Amino acid sequence: GESVGLHLPTLSVQEGDNSIINCAYSNSASDYFIWYKQESGKGPQFIIDIRSNMDKRQGQRVTVLLNKTVKHLSLQIAATQPGDSAVYFCAENSRSGGYQKVTFGTGTKLQVIP
Amino acid sequence: EAQVTQNPRYLITVTGKKLTVTCSQNMNHEYMSWYRQDPGLGLRQIYYSMNVEVTDKGDVPEGYKVSRKEKRNFPLILESPSPNQTSLYFCASRRTDSYEQYFGPGTRLTVT
Repeated sequence: GESVGLHLPTLSVQEGDNSIINCAYSNSASDYFIWYKQESGKGPQFIIDIRSNMDKRQGQRVTVLLNKTVKHLSLQIAATQPGDSAVYFCAENSRSGGYQKVTFGTGTKLQVIP
Repeated sequence: EAQVTQNPRYLITVTGKKLTVTCSQNMNHEYMSWYRQDPGLGLRQIYYSMNVEVTDKGDVPEGYKVSRKEKRNFPLILESPSPNQTSLYFCASRRTDSYEQYFGPGTRLTVT
């Protein structure tokens, strides 16, 4: 697989436990925040997004929490499974005069221990 | 099948030899984007396009060009590649009213 996991913070979780992956963002004007999952050798895959005027959003087995006061985003994965092992990226979308830019975080590697 | 395709998947080239990486999507998405991924740096946006003939720079546009003459295609052009452009490149697309980007499989470029 590709060596995108080098120098990444790693979270090791026992199968069946809950995982919490954290992300700090920089732009207080960002209007959307998105979480992606990247498996080895593949492109990132969308998991869930949250609008900046929300503080929580739930999906299937995932919850994203947004704390704008401290510019912090977290992804919670319930009942973590081996298939959840991957690198997880947060991303922020910012707008400027009709254009939109996306800035990604550096990623966290999730290792699920069977 | 809805997908984003990139070609080539792997490319080894020499400094200064112009190259183009193609990207095509079949979902009629307005927004397309190019990223490069380097160890420890995550994905960094190179260029993006809001629609046909509308493009703008991302965070690391130096040394790259793009064009968007058709909605489905968004090629990335390296006029004079240099070794610091050795990287893994991803193309992505999405609808304007959604933040769910669909990524291609990646292009591994090595410039010697």
